[in-house]
Amino acid sequence: SQTIHQWPATLVQPVGSPLSLECTVEGTSNPNLYWYRQAAGRGLQLLFYSVGIGQISSEVPQNLSASRPQDRQFILSSKKLLLSDSGFYLCAWSWGGRTYEQYFGPGTRLTVT
Amino acid sequence: GDSVTQMEGPVTLSEEAFLTINCTYTATGYPSLFWYVQYPGEGLQLLLKATKADDKGSNKGFEATYRKETTSFHLEKGSVQVSDSAVYFCALSPMESNYQLIWGAGTKLIIKP
Repeated sequence: SQTIHQWPATLVQPVGSPLSLECTVEGTSNPNLYWYRQAAGRGLQLLFYSVGIGQISSEVPQNLSASRPQDRQFILSSKKLLLSDSGFYLCAWSWGGRTYEQYFGPGTRLTVT
Repeated sequence: GDSVTQMEGPVTLSEEAFLTINCTYTATGYPSLFWYVQYPGEGLQLLLKATKADDKGSNKGFEATYRKETTSFHLEKGSVQVSDSAVYFCALSPMESNYQLIWGAGTKLIIKP
């Protein structure tokens, strides 16, 4: 069976500090990978997706970046956090190729102070 | 472009009441349709899905029928419990895939004992 991990679970960072969130998937090969952000009480905003190693598509302009150094690893980064970066960050995966359902990790709660 | 519209929440019901959360969509062809549930502080879980017209998805007492004629995928449950309190998201996978899902805004459900 497939499992998706995210860490850390919670993070409190000062404005201007760097960020690195990690997501890994087990039990599948060549998945599509996704980073979403969810502001408090709001819906899902797709930030990045990847269909293969080194292939990253960005959905919104921002000070965040994503990388996929290994097949089942997806990293979300920032060099300098803003207050507006606070939120709940969700990683998801789907089977490679045509997208059907996505499967989500437990999320990371980021608070920028 | 493709879109998903959900009824605005919060929806507040008493325990054992009948639940309907409306979801309508705009899409070309025959997209796949999904309902996800998000419990407080957690990631999203796939609740049910339907991949073609007249399909009925069901899980944990929840049901939704893919209605092509009304472009709808309403979520229903005959008798809700306090533990069903969560945010429910409707989503579709377009036929012309770009690896993404199109998401509704989410509907918060509150069940009172």
